[in-house]
Amino acid sequence: NAGVTQTPKFRVLKTGQSMTLLCAQDMNHEYMYWYRQDPGMGLRLIHYSVGEGTTAKGEVPDGYNVSRLKKQNFLLGLESAAPSQTSVYFCASSDIGQGGTEAFFGQGTRLTVV
Amino acid sequence: AQSVTQLDSQVPVFEEAPVELRCNYSSSVSVYLFWYVQYPNQGLQLLLKYLSGSTLVESINGFEAEFNKSQTSFHLRKPSVHISDTAEYFCAVSDPSSASKIIFGSGTRLSIRP
Repeated sequence: NAGVTQTPKFRVLKTGQSMTLLCAQDMNHEYMYWYRQDPGMGLRLIHYSVGEGTTAKGEVPDGYNVSRLKKQNFLLGLESAAPSQTSVYFCASSDIGQGGTEAFFGQGTRLTVV
Repeated sequence: AQSVTQLDSQVPVFEEAPVELRCNYSSSVSVYLFWYVQYPNQGLQLLLKYLSGSTLVESINGFEAEFNKSQTSFHLRKPSVHISDTAEYFCAVSDPSSASKIIFGSGTRLSIRP
């Protein structure tokens, strides 16, 4: 059971370039999340989805877009990368209905924007 | 809105000493509370959670946390730490009536000295 898989694991972008981070989960979870992790700031929620075809903004959505065309995939896009988006990005998923359900995390994507 | 405060960004302790990692939350409604652990270069893993019932919850590796509603706290403790406990620990909160958001604290880095 793979759980939550993120690709790529590392990426270096130039300012202004675009890219898409892919998150895939094989646990049939309804909820999926994208977080960014920065030193001293913990995890901050970028966008999340409560089901296929739905997305919603989190705490820090500016500069990012997301799509959930298939239940198992949650894509995070950067249309025009900025140095402030240098971070480690984590995808997570959880089961439907219960806020107490455990969130399962991917291994992270380390993104550097130069 | 919910929020989580972890007062200590770093906690150094000697091996076999006791440790307490502090977590306070802010919420106008009832909450679910979690502790997650992140080992170096890995994603987050659930350590323990409080949903309801007994206010003292335990993990399989000797950690425990106590939900204190009057003090809005959920501190994590271990009576005797091991080198293998070196990691970053995140406190998190979610709203039982809204499964979609899990809010994380800024994290506490636990370093164990031999």
